[in-house]
Amino acid sequence: QQQVRQSPQSLTVWEGETAILNCSYEDSTFDYFPWYWQFPRESPALLIAIRPVSNKKEDGRFTIFFNKREKKLSLHITDSQPGDSATYFCAAGGNYAQGLTFGLGTRVSVFP
Amino acid sequence: DMKVTQMPRYLIKRMGENVLLECGQDMSHETMYWYRQDPGLGLQLIYISYDVDSNSEGDIPKGYRVSRKKREHFSLILDSAKTNQTSVYFCASSLYDSGNTLYFGEGSRLIVV
Repeated sequence: QQQVRQSPQSLTVWEGETAILNCSYEDSTFDYFPWYWQFPRESPALLIAIRPVSNKKEDGRFTIFFNKREKKLSLHITDSQPGDSATYFCAAGGNYAQGLTFGLGTRVSVFP
Repeated sequence: DMKVTQMPRYLIKRMGENVLLECGQDMSHETMYWYRQDPGLGLQLIYISYDVDSNSEGDIPKGYRVSRKKREHFSLILDSAKTNQTSVYFCASSLYDSGNTLYFGEGSRLIVV
């Protein structure tokens, strides 16, 4: 079964709106939650990450909200720009014996 | 310059042929990974390597093997390729473990006919 779940599969917003991407996980031993973004025909790249010691991580227009009790997190993209159009992957990891486990991704389209 | 380089970038092979995908990194990262990416399936971990000759299966290792004889190089081998191994393969590296940033290569697109 999918260890990391993402919703929605795709999301369309207008420029200037806030996009909200959701993620949940199964394994309570995960202690590192990065978000990667991937533009068409490119490789994934780290966008922002959080560890469970915090419940919020902000980097410019991108903010992660983390709820350890419910094993959920979300990525908020405020003032969305057309250049933010990409597929966003939520991932979980931190255990030395594991690689990162990725969700299936949310495809975000921002229209001007 | 932090870089993960994959070769070849594009490859077409016939079913049953052997395939060698190579990956190099210039960051002296201990840990390297091979993922495959298919539409609708996200990124799936094939193998992880903690250092030279220290490799471990990921979530989908069947049909693949790996080799790491130098810290900076990590190879993915498909012995007798199958059509369902058509995919985009990504190599990545990280400092120590997956609790740090993974740096991905550009990807190798493999088509098995």
